[in-house]
Amino acid sequence: LAKTTQPISMDSYEGQEVNITCSHNNIATNDYITWYQQFPSQGPRFIIQGYKTKVTNEVASLFIPADRKSSTLSLPRVSLSDTAVYYCLSYMDTGRRALTFGSGTRLQVQP
Amino acid sequence: EPEVTQTPSHQVTQMGQEVILRCVPISNHLYFYWYRQILGQKVEFLVSFYNNEISEKSEIFDDQFSVERPDGSNFTLKIRSTKLEDSAMYFCASSSETQYFGPGTRLLVL
Repeated sequence: LAKTTQPISMDSYEGQEVNITCSHNNIATNDYITWYQQFPSQGPRFIIQGYKTKVTNEVASLFIPADRKSSTLSLPRVSLSDTAVYYCLSYMDTGRRALTFGSGTRLQVQP
Repeated sequence: EPEVTQTPSHQVTQMGQEVILRCVPISNHLYFYWYRQILGQKVEFLVSFYNNEISEKSEIFDDQFSVERPDGSNFTLKIRSTKLEDSAMYFCASSSETQYFGPGTRLLVL
C-alpha cells in the first residue's frame, strides 16, 4: 500500500488555478492515483483517477509524470464552493479495496 | 446520475441501544462498504461486503457491528449496545470500478 504525502492546507482566491501536489514515492506498478473531495459533514466525492500522463474531466485535471512518484491535481478557476478537503490515494483497483484516507489537503478559497 | 443514498440522515440514541443504519447502493454495483468519520478525524474503513459476505474488515469492526444485505437493494450496518465513542458520521459506499460514497448518517450517542 503506497503511502501518499500531501500539504496539510492551501489557500487561494476565487478565479485562480489551484494545484495540489501529492507525493507517492513507493507507488506500485499496478496502482492508480485517485483523488477525492470532501465537504464538511458530507461523504467523500470522487474527483478523478489516473495512471500516468494527464487526465482531464469536467471538474479537474490530473498530471502524473513518467516516474509516477508524484501527481498534481489541478482545479481551474476555483470558486468559494471548492473550499473542501482533498484526498490523494494510491491503490490498485480502488473499486474493490478498502480505502485508507489520510488527513488530506484543506483548501480554503477566499473571495 | 445514480447515487448512494443513506437513511436516516441523523440518528440520536441512548448509550446501550441498538441502531441500524441503512444504505441503498448504486444499483449495478457489487461491492459495498461502510466507513466512519469521528468529528475532526480521518475517514476510517469499517467493512467491505461482496457476494453476500464480508470480504474485508478493520480492527474497529468488532462483534458490536454487523452488516447485512436483507434484500436486493438495501445494505445495513447494525451497531449493538452503542457507546459514546460510536458517535460519528457513518458513510456507505458502493463500487464497480470506483467507490462512490453516500451522504452519511450522523450518529449521536448520548
